[in-house]
Amino acid sequence: GAGVSQTPSNKVTEKGKYVELRCDPISGHTALYWYRQSLGQGPEFLIYFQGTGAADDSGLPNDRFFAVRPEGSVSTLKIQRTERGDSAVYLCASSHGQGGYGYTFGSGTRLTVV
Amino acid sequence: AQTVTQSQPEMSVQEAETVTLSCTYDTSESDYYLFWYKQPPSRQMILVIRQEAYKQQNATENRFSVNFQKAAKSFSLKISDSQLGDAAMYFCAYRQGGSEKLVFGKGTKLTVNP
Repeated sequence: GAGVSQTPSNKVTEKGKYVELRCDPISGHTALYWYRQSLGQGPEFLIYFQGTGAADDSGLPNDRFFAVRPEGSVSTLKIQRTERGDSAVYLCASSHGQGGYGYTFGSGTRLTVV
Repeated sequence: AQTVTQSQPEMSVQEAETVTLSCTYDTSESDYYLFWYKQPPSRQMILVIRQEAYKQQNATENRFSVNFQKAAKSFSLKISDSQLGDAAMYFCAYRQGGSEKLVFGKGTKLTVNP
């Protein structure tokens, strides 16, 4: 596609529920990144994919968070047993490959856990 | 761990005037890259300008320029001839060479007054 698409744009869920956030990167971009942006903060790195594999998942806060990219294109961020502290904007970005020269970001998913 | 500090939570400027946003960073590395991103209410992070640490010349992109002081670990953004469309959150970011993670500051909210 022309840009990085993230769905849904907004998601409200109850504490304890499971959620999936989707990212559709720019066609041909091999690298894909997830970031979390809490209110009043800058984005924080969660995970980086090169192709289908997670090359760096050091930013995932705990084992409730998991991300996949099975075919090297679309990625899904999965959060189990959501907590109110998980409320944030989840941003996805993609790039041509290693080097990080100017990721292209999506508009994010605003997750609210009530 | 590398950190990025933006000491100005908010700044304002009159339309057509010049404003400078401050950013300092902490690293012991010599190979790294610095970025300024703009985040309008749409939430999408838009790359404004980037600087390679090994380049002495300050980067410039139209009305946007940086003052990169490597020894002082300072990376300020100057916006000339400010326009109403420049109003947004601005984030300074750092990327270590060989890593794919961006480390962001907390951001500066820029208001442009007509």
